[in-house]
Amino acid sequence: GENVEQHPSTLSVQEGDSAVIKCTYSDSASNYFPWYKQELGKRPQLIIDIRSNVGEKKDQRIAVTLNKTAKHFSLHITETQPEDSAVYFCAASDLLAGKSTFGDGTTLTVKP
Amino acid sequence: NAGVMQNPRHLVRRRGQEARLRCSPMKGHSHVYWYRQLPEEGLKFMVYLQKENIIDESGMPKERFSAEFPKEGPSILRIQQVVRGDSAAYFCASSPPTSGHTDTQYFGPGTRLTVL
Repeated sequence: GENVEQHPSTLSVQEGDSAVIKCTYSDSASNYFPWYKQELGKRPQLIIDIRSNVGEKKDQRIAVTLNKTAKHFSLHITETQPEDSAVYFCAASDLLAGKSTFGDGTTLTVKP
Repeated sequence: NAGVMQNPRHLVRRRGQEARLRCSPMKGHSHVYWYRQLPEEGLKFMVYLQKENIIDESGMPKERFSAEFPKEGPSILRIQQVVRGDSAAYFCASSPPTSGHTDTQYFGPGTRLTVL
């Protein structure tokens, strides 16, 4: 089955700096890669996603890159703000099979 | 358009009791997924259902756990004879019926199960 590894497990940055979270996956059948943000005690919220026919996608301060050959994808947050502090999860999904495998999460702390 | 609904939000059970968790998908969504999240851990896939069908239950323990998504009504995750290790947050997600494949999953608020 699919195996997703996410790094780092914790990340602390100064407000205004950039944050990068990386994930690798093992199953070449995975074709959809969402990123979720989960604040303490809340539900995971989709923040950005990318499909396997695209190499990069950007939405304001958030961008995601995908390298299918190397089987890794990354989340980039620029100009971080304290409200970006949360746990971020990557996932690799096979849309045909309908199954998603999540990374173990990265706890991002943005210090004011 | 209401989002994914889950109830109860908090559930306390004693060891040996049964827990029933309910999930109503977003309007128009026919795919439901259940995940378990242990404290300070990631989301672990349990089961994927469509109306009246279990598509993939590879993440669900073979004993005590069952799930259904009937033609009418919410999806139910049932845990029989609960043990302390079942204490976790259980999240349901739903996605729309895109032809031939699934799509973006939207999560409910979760049910926090505590087993005493």
